[in-house]
Amino acid sequence: QTVVTQEPSLTVSPGGTVTLTCASSTGPVTSAFYPNWFQRRPGQAPTALIYSTSNKHSWTPARFSGSLLGGKAALTLSPVQPEDEAEYYCLLYFGSSNWVFGGGTTLTVL
Amino acid sequence: EVQLVQSGAEGKKPGESLRISCQGSGYDFSTYWIGWVRLMPGKGLEYMGRVDPRDSYNNYSPSFRGHVSISSDRAINTAYIQWSNLEASDSAIYFCVRMSCSTTNCFFDYWGQGTLVTVSS
Repeated sequence: QTVVTQEPSLTVSPGGTVTLTCASSTGPVTSAFYPNWFQRRPGQAPTALIYSTSNKHSWTPARFSGSLLGGKAALTLSPVQPEDEAEYYCLLYFGSSNWVFGGGTTLTVL
Repeated sequence: EVQLVQSGAEGKKPGESLRISCQGSGYDFSTYWIGWVRLMPGKGLEYMGRVDPRDSYNNYSPSFRGHVSISSDRAINTAYIQWSNLEASDSAIYFCVRMSCSTTNCFFDYWGQGTLVTVSS
């Protein structure tokens, strides 16, 4: 079974920089996995942030960016704002219409 | 304004059937797929499958194939997910999401508000 792994939790100070990563159990993540990133606050529906590795939606704040880093997909926030405290999920494509979410990263801004 | 509006919360008993809906507005419903995502209590998001409203072609994540059925009715801009034999473990929030893939890009952009399904005897 394919597993997508994210850091369970990260803590960052306001104004700082944090990078969340997304790894695949099948090997290095490439652009062919079409990495997508989402933010979810408690009690709300997810909000799309990044698609196809590094593309932003029209509503995505400029401080969010996506990339490939060391064989993983990565989401970088800089500078971090207090309202960025949330859960973040990556989503990877494994072919044959099989998409798999990562387990999510809880980001604390402290 | 693009919107996906889902049907309301449901309370069911094990063994019962259920269909929840997701109605799109503010865009050409036929030109984007609709995916379904599960969020179980205390767990993460899980991709379940999707439907193409142009022709109702669907496919499923291996984890959900055979347990749910995803369909659409483009005449009323609505997608559905249904169960014929609910189990307590189906208790979750279900989200629909607009999605599109080409050879160079795949994105999931607009999400429904979620439908809470509770299955309990």
